[in-house]
Amino acid sequence: DTAVSQTPKYLVTQMGNDKSIKCEQNLGHDTMYWYKQDSKKFLKIMFSYNNKELIINETVPNRFSPKSPDKAHLNLHINSLELGDSAVYFCASSQDGGNTEAFFGQGTRLTVV
Amino acid sequence: GENVEQHPSTLSVQEGDSAVIKCTYSDSASNYFPWYKQELGKRPQLIIDIRSNVGEKKDQRIAVTLNKTAKHFSLHITETQPEDSAVYFCAAMDSSYKLIFGSGTRLLVRP
Repeated sequence: DTAVSQTPKYLVTQMGNDKSIKCEQNLGHDTMYWYKQDSKKFLKIMFSYNNKELIINETVPNRFSPKSPDKAHLNLHINSLELGDSAVYFCASSQDGGNTEAFFGQGTRLTVV
Repeated sequence: GENVEQHPSTLSVQEGDSAVIKCTYSDSASNYFPWYKQELGKRPQLIIDIRSNVGEKKDQRIAVTLNKTAKHFSLHITETQPEDSAVYFCAAMDSSYKLIFGSGTRLLVRP
């Protein structure tokens, strides 16, 4: 069973479109994250949710919005996609929000054309 | 906020040699320091971690050291093998539970 799963794995879309990436974890963790990994492999935290409450909101454009219907899911919505949004997006989860291993999903490669 | 710097950005070693990757952090309140390995096209996966009440931790060929006074920590891989080739990330968990990653080290183990 996959611990942290995200869909789709690949996403190609045109500039200006709105898209969503879904993430689910079956580990019973309290905290979920979204990371962006650019072409230089930098892993930058975007959002963190703990028990359905946003506890971290990095300085990302407000075109990006996390949505968490329950603590097992954290979806990422992106409006008005731009070329610079092309990257691999990773969802992750951890127990108690800190001091424990973060488990990553397989990543979603987003390409904006 | 926390800032993590990682060196070197690339490292090439001969199979059987040791590899050392070093990181520094800025937030003295950080108390959890994991290391992740990311193979090409795969997700980052934890290989070892250390908490601030420990100075050194070892797991087979992998060891991590932490110097809280100097705010730096290091990953040591001994007897490297070709399958150790990957990108390695250090990270620090700051007081607001943000896991901040270093910029990564691309390790190449030459057979």
